[in-house]
This record gives sequence, C-alpha cells and structure tokens, in this order.
Amino acid sequence: RKEVEQDPGPFNVPEGATVAFNCTYSNSASQSFFWYRQDCRKEPKLLMSVYSSGNEDGRFTAQLNRASQYISLLIRDSKLSDSATYLCVVTRGYQKVTFGTGTKLQVIP
Amino acid sequence: GAVVSQHPSWVICKSGTSVKIECRSLDFQATTMFWYRQFPKQSLMLMATSNEGSKATYEQGVEKDKFLINHASLTLSTLTVTSAHPEDSSFYICSAPGLAGFNEQFFGPGTRLTVL
Repeated sequence: RKEVEQDPGPFNVPEGATVAFNCTYSNSASQSFFWYRQDCRKEPKLLMSVYSSGNEDGRFTAQLNRASQYISLLIRDSKLSDSATYLCVVTRGYQKVTFGTGTKLQVIP
Repeated sequence: GAVVSQHPSWVICKSGTSVKIECRSLDFQATTMFWYRQFPKQSLMLMATSNEGSKATYEQGVEKDKFLINHASLTLSTLTVTSAHPEDSSFYICSAPGLAGFNEQFFGPGTRLTVL
C-alpha cells in the first residue's frame, strides 16, 4: 500500500461547481499535512496547510481526520484557473516528505 | 517571497554523459535543500537531502554514486547525474525550506532532463 494515496481523476467539473478531493495516508505517525497545486510541467506551489480543526482560505477548505487518516480539500465555485493537479503532501519529521500522485482537476466552461 | 532558481530549465543529452543541475536560493540562505524527481503521471519522489558542509542523505533506492550532490555554499546545491541513461529522463525539482520548516518550502522551477 502506498504511503499516501489519492484518486488520480481526472475530475471534470463545470465552472461554479463544488468539488472535493480526498487523500489517505497509511502512517499514523505522520505529523504535518499540506495541499499543493501543480500546473503542467511546473513546480508545486503550496495551496494550504491542513489542520485538525480545519482551515479555510477563500473558496478552499481543507480538513484533517486523524482517526481515519485522511485529509480533504473542498473547492467551491470552481474557476477555470483552478484547473491543475492537486498534490496531497504528508510529512513525518523535518525530512521525511511524501507526495501523493496528485488528483487532476479540469474545470470546464 | 523567497525564490529558488534552477539551471538549466531543460537539457537533452546523449546516453553516457553527465549532467549537472544547479539549485540556488536567491535571497536567503539554505543549509538544507531537497532534490526530487518526478516521472510522467507520477508523484514527486524525494531523492536526497543536500546538507551544506556535509554529505547528502539519500533515500532508499537512490544510488549515491550515480546522483552526486554537492552543497557548495549556503545558496547553492548541485545534482550531477553521472553516466545518464534514458531511464534517468525525468523532471528534477529542488526545494529549500524557510524558517518554518516544510511548511515554508520553496520549490525551484524544475529541470526537465531528456537522455537520448
């Protein structure tokens, strides 16, 4: 089993739709969790950190469920510019970093 | 915000040659830098941790004699792919952490290596 698993998608959604991604992790000792966004052939960019209490940044909401070992990302009112691959990142200590394979989102006009 | 640059952005080389990729932190010092590799439709895989003034730490399965890492200064780490083969063709990305640790990770733009 992979340490971090994501549904690869693609998720094709119309503009304005709400879409949710899940990511599961296998190591209960994992400490920090992040969502990154990666555009085609570009470097990943931090979208947001994920906390147990949940956090929201505009149209984006991230949630962590430690008991079930999954994190989620909710995007409301999807924009065309949201089209990208969303990477789930889990860290265990300063240097043990694991990226998920990413979930591809395509927002359609 | 902090910027990390990589050079070259892309390179095509013949099988058997060596390729050097540079990663620079432009406006901050980085005692640690990370090197990742990403094959098409796959996730970024951490290859090694580059430490200024000491040997790099390699992840399991990464050959240290093939992927030479030198952290020559507080702003420069280099990755040399020695005797490159077509299976080494990939997207190589470096990153450097800020003061907040991984939460403030700054990624370089990546280097696309194609080995013929």
